[in-house]
Amino acid sequence: GENVEQHPSTLSVQEGDSAVIKCTYSDSASNYFPWYKQELGKRPQLIIDIRSNVGEKKDQRIAVTLNKTAKHFSLHITETQPEDSAVYFCAASRGTYNNNDMRFGAGTRLTVKP
Amino acid sequence: EAGVAQSPRYKIIEKRQSVAFWCNPISGHATLYWYQQILGQGPKLLIQFQNNGVVDDSQLPKDRFSAERLKGVDSTLKIQPAKLEDSAVYLCASSFGGVSSYEQYFGPGTRLTVT
Repeated sequence: GENVEQHPSTLSVQEGDSAVIKCTYSDSASNYFPWYKQELGKRPQLIIDIRSNVGEKKDQRIAVTLNKTAKHFSLHITETQPEDSAVYFCAASRGTYNNNDMRFGAGTRLTVKP
Repeated sequence: EAGVAQSPRYKIIEKRQSVAFWCNPISGHATLYWYQQILGQGPKLLIQFQNNGVVDDSQLPKDRFSAERLKGVDSTLKIQPAKLEDSAVYLCASSFGGVSSYEQYFGPGTRLTVT
């Protein structure tokens, strides 16, 4: 089955700096890669996703890049703000009509220092 | 639109007792998922339903966990008997399930503590 590895497990940056979180996956059939943000005690919320037919996607201060050959994808957050502090999870799935089995990474705790 | 609903929000039981969680997905969502999130880890998929059929339950500990979605809407997840290592947040998620519709929406979760 799919195995998703995520690095680093913790990341501390100064406000205004950029943050990068990296994930690798094992199943070459995976074609959907979402990123979730989870604040303490709250539900995971989707912040951005990418499908295997594109290499990069951007939404304001966040972007995701995908390298299917190397089987890795990354989350980039620019101009970080204290409210970006949370745990971020990457995930991968085959994303087929009747089988969207998601496998999550272990998470990265991002702390943005004001 | 209303989100995914779960109840109860918190539950404390002793080991070897039974417990059940309930989930009501977003209206119209055909696919429903149950995840287990142990403190400090990512969510782990336990079971996935497409309407009232099971698509994937490969990571469900079937000797003690069971789940059903009889009418293809609400779902219940049961643990019987509970072990200490079952302490976790149990998240329910749903997605539309159509072609090109992969986004999963999560409920608030049920925090289970087994003592």
